[in-house]
Amino acid sequence: DSGVTQTPKHLITATGQRVTLRCSPRSGDLSVYWYQQSLDQGLQFLIQYYNGEERAKGNILERFSAQQFPDLHSELNLSSLELGDSALYFCASSPREGNTEAFFGQGTRLTVV
Amino acid sequence: AQSVTQLDSQVPVFEEAPVELRCNYSSSVSVYLFWYVQYPNQGLQLLLKYLSGSTLVKGINGFEAEFNKSQTSFHLRKPSVHISDTAEYFCAVTRNSGNTPLVFGKGTRLSVIA
Repeated sequence: DSGVTQTPKHLITATGQRVTLRCSPRSGDLSVYWYQQSLDQGLQFLIQYYNGEERAKGNILERFSAQQFPDLHSELNLSSLELGDSALYFCASSPREGNTEAFFGQGTRLTVV
Repeated sequence: AQSVTQLDSQVPVFEEAPVELRCNYSSSVSVYLFWYVQYPNQGLQLLLKYLSGSTLVKGINGFEAEFNKSQTSFHLRKPSVHISDTAEYFCAVTRNSGNTPLVFGKGTRLSVIA
């Protein structure tokens, strides 16, 4: 158990809908990272937050947004969902801004039908 | 920007045989290197990392990796694999200054055959 909790574990939704994925980092970790894992693209970095502030942005679509709350949990919002958004979404956390100790959650499997 | 190439998408190997999973990286600056393992239906678990110092890094579950700067490689090895090592293995890189996200390779599927 990495200590990073993601909910829900599985999510099935229809095209055009909006979903929210939740991540609780390890106790004391200030950084949260979101990654998307798909068969064709592999593991792609989406976005990073550190202590409530956005720190880095990767290949995140405009339809996607994220935030980190004062209690340090983070949410990834995916809207106007398309079939191609079906993927595993991982959250990782680390104590500091850097990546030298990133711990991953078990992921949320999103299926868009 | 950094990039990672994992040269083999699938590696089948018999139980108790040695294995090497290959990883090459590209970067114009100094880097940190990582190997993660993903078991079926689970998240990624850190196997080992190279930050500085000795180029031979030992990790969990009997794995080790060697950082070779001249060949820009960070190959993962295990002298004797077990059935339980069957998983997907990911090599990752990040620059060692500033805060940049991990860049992952496409992964290597290790299948250990009894």
